[in-house]
Amino acid sequence: DTEVTQTPKHLVMGMTNKKSLKCEQHMGHRAMYWYKQKAKKPPELMFVYSYEKLSINESVPSRFSPECPNSSLLNLHLHALQPEDSALYLCASSQDRVRHEQFFGPGTRLTVL
Amino acid sequence: AQSVSQHNHHVILSEAASLELGCNYSYGGTVNLFWYVQYPGQHLQLLLKYFSGDPLVKGIKGFEAEFIKSKFSFNLRKPSVQWSDTAEYFCAVNALERSGTYKYIFGTGTRLKVLA
Repeated sequence: DTEVTQTPKHLVMGMTNKKSLKCEQHMGHRAMYWYKQKAKKPPELMFVYSYEKLSINESVPSRFSPECPNSSLLNLHLHALQPEDSALYLCASSQDRVRHEQFFGPGTRLTVL
Repeated sequence: AQSVSQHNHHVILSEAASLELGCNYSYGGTVNLFWYVQYPGQHLQLLLKYFSGDPLVKGIKGFEAEFIKSKFSFNLRKPSVQWSDTAEYFCAVNALERSGTYKYIFGTGTRLKVLA
């Protein structure tokens, strides 16, 4: 299984809502990533988990809260988002953080009203 | 600031034309280099990667890339493109930073359109 799955595929939420994005991989990868991708732009790194510990937070606002419950799962909790947070949120995983390529999920298309 | 540059933002080619997409990075230390492709409506997938050894690496679908250390470049090439190569191409660098952590940076992307 070389797949990274993400749910939901689409999410529409209001600025006062709380929602969560979910990412799962069963490749035994020990590094997992959240990216934000705006239209016609490259993915921007948000968070990196390595061996289930947060190792990089790219100065992401606290309204985004990552969680890694176990080595296969990565969540992104969303609260009080702004319309400018609307984007494609990508999850990726890699065997480790050093010499391995990342495997990407299809993303969650988020719209904040 | 350390960066990855892709100078060609949009490229339009006819089928069977040769392709070269530029990628330059500004990291001076150890780097691992990648090219990813994003076909319309699909997720990012790896085309090829370079860690060490032969600077000419071959990837999937007839793509290859050459690492030129002195030029800080990792250009992507394909001798003869097909309509199905229409996609967005991202160069990425995984570099060891002064903090001791590895950081993955993507270039701005090149949108390729191949005319049938």
